[in-house]
Amino acid sequence: DTGVSQDPRHKITKRGQNVTFRCDPISEHNRLYWYRQTLGQGPEFLTYFQNEAQLEKSRLLSDRFSAERPKGSFSTLEIQRTEQGDSAMYLCASSFRVGVYNSPLHFGNGTRLTVT
Amino acid sequence: GQQLNQSPQSMFIQEGEDVSMNCTSSSIFNTWLWYKQDPGEGPVLLIALYKAGELTSNGRLTAQFGITRKDSFLNISASIPSDVGIYFCAGQWDYGGATNKLIFGTGTLLAVQP
Repeated sequence: DTGVSQDPRHKITKRGQNVTFRCDPISEHNRLYWYRQTLGQGPEFLTYFQNEAQLEKSRLLSDRFSAERPKGSFSTLEIQRTEQGDSAMYLCASSFRVGVYNSPLHFGNGTRLTVT
Repeated sequence: GQQLNQSPQSMFIQEGEDVSMNCTSSSIFNTWLWYKQDPGEGPVLLIALYKAGELTSNGRLTAQFGITRKDSFLNISASIPSDVGIYFCAGQWDYGGATNKLIFGTGTLLAVQP
C-alpha cells in the first residue's frame, strides 16, 4: 500500500503526559499537512510543510504542539502536557506541488487520541 | 476554526434514490474537493474541481464548481448501501503558491436503507 500511513492508530493517555504521532506521506509528495477532527466536525487545519520547511501554522496550534519534518519525508506531531480538550482524531495528508500545480490532498487513516 | 456551510446535515434514503448535497462559502475558492469518510477512517477523495462552472463525474457521482466560486454541489445517482458515510466538501484558495490548506465543510451524513 502506498498511501499515507499514520502511527499509532489509537492512543490513550493521561492528562499531563506527552504524546508523539508519526506520519509517512506518499513517497513522491513534497507537501505534508496535519489536521485535527473532533466528533461531528470536519477536519481543521493545523500546519503544513513543504519538504522540511514548516510554512504555515494555524492559531489552533498552541505552544504545546510541535511538528517536525526533519528530512522532508516523514513527520512527527508532538503534544506536550496533554489536556482533555486535545482528544480528537489527528489526520495527516500529503500532496505534490510543482510550479503552480497542486495535486489534491490524500489523507491517512488518522491517530485517535483520547486524554483521560 | 473556519468551516464551510454544508447541507443537508443528514439524509436517510432508500436504496436506488438519488442524493444531492451542497456547500457554500463566504469566500471564493479556486479549487473544490469532495471527500467521503467512513467511521474510524480518514477522508477519501471522490472528485476534484478546478474551474468555475466545471461539471465532473466519477461513476455515479457528479459534482459542480459554482459559477460564483463560492459554492459546489455533489449528486449521487442510484444510491447503494455502500454509499453510507459522511461526505465533506472542501475549498482551497491557492494564491501564488502561498498556501493550499483546505477548508472543510461541516459534513453530510448519508444513510441508505436497503
